[in-house]
Amino acid sequence: NAGVTQTPKFQVLKTGQSMTLQCAQDMNHEYMSWYRQDPGMGLRLIHYSVGAGITDQGEVPNGYNVSRSTTEDFPLRLLSAAPSQTSVYFCASRVMGVMNTEAFFGQGTRLTVV
Amino acid sequence: GEDVEQSLFLSVREGDSSVINCTYTDSSSTYLYWYKQEPGAGLQLLTYIFSNMDMKQDQRLTVLLNKKDKHLSLRIADTQTGDSAIYFCAAPRTGGGNKLTFGTGTQLKVEL
Repeated sequence: NAGVTQTPKFQVLKTGQSMTLQCAQDMNHEYMSWYRQDPGMGLRLIHYSVGAGITDQGEVPNGYNVSRSTTEDFPLRLLSAAPSQTSVYFCASRVMGVMNTEAFFGQGTRLTVV
Repeated sequence: GEDVEQSLFLSVREGDSSVINCTYTDSSSTYLYWYKQEPGAGLQLLTYIFSNMDMKQDQRLTVLLNKKDKHLSLRIADTQTGDSAIYFCAAPRTGGGNKLTFGTGTQLKVEL
């Protein structure tokens, strides 16, 4: 049982490049989400999904796209990277239930945009 | 929407108690959570408290909730070097369904 797996762990991009951050979970969780973590700002929600084929925006969605074609995978796409997107990105998943909480987090992807 | 605030740093000596504080704005929050993030890792759910409780104890961890003041605290007894991490408070968003608002995180440093 691998939990939540994110790849890559580190990435450097040039301004304007695009890339996809991968997230996969093997726990059959309905709910998956992407956060970015910046110093002094905690975690901010980018996009989330409540099930395959369903996605919605969080509080900082601009510059990012997501899709959810399967329950297991929830990739995050940067369309045209900007230095402001330098951050650590976390994917999380959980079962939807009474306790509304992200129970499982990936190890994170540290992205630098130069 | 929900706003969650924490102090950024806390330094304690090994063996002492640590108290990490958090304030939130949404009085309708049903559950409040504490997460721990070790260096280079993702967040792990440490403990939680339901809003109809004042206190919850789990081994060395004690969570206190003051609903009137919208204040949540996490006390770690007999703090060890392995407790050095960033601790996040989190609360459900107002009208936000399944989404959470996280505090800025408190970096706990345990000194020998």
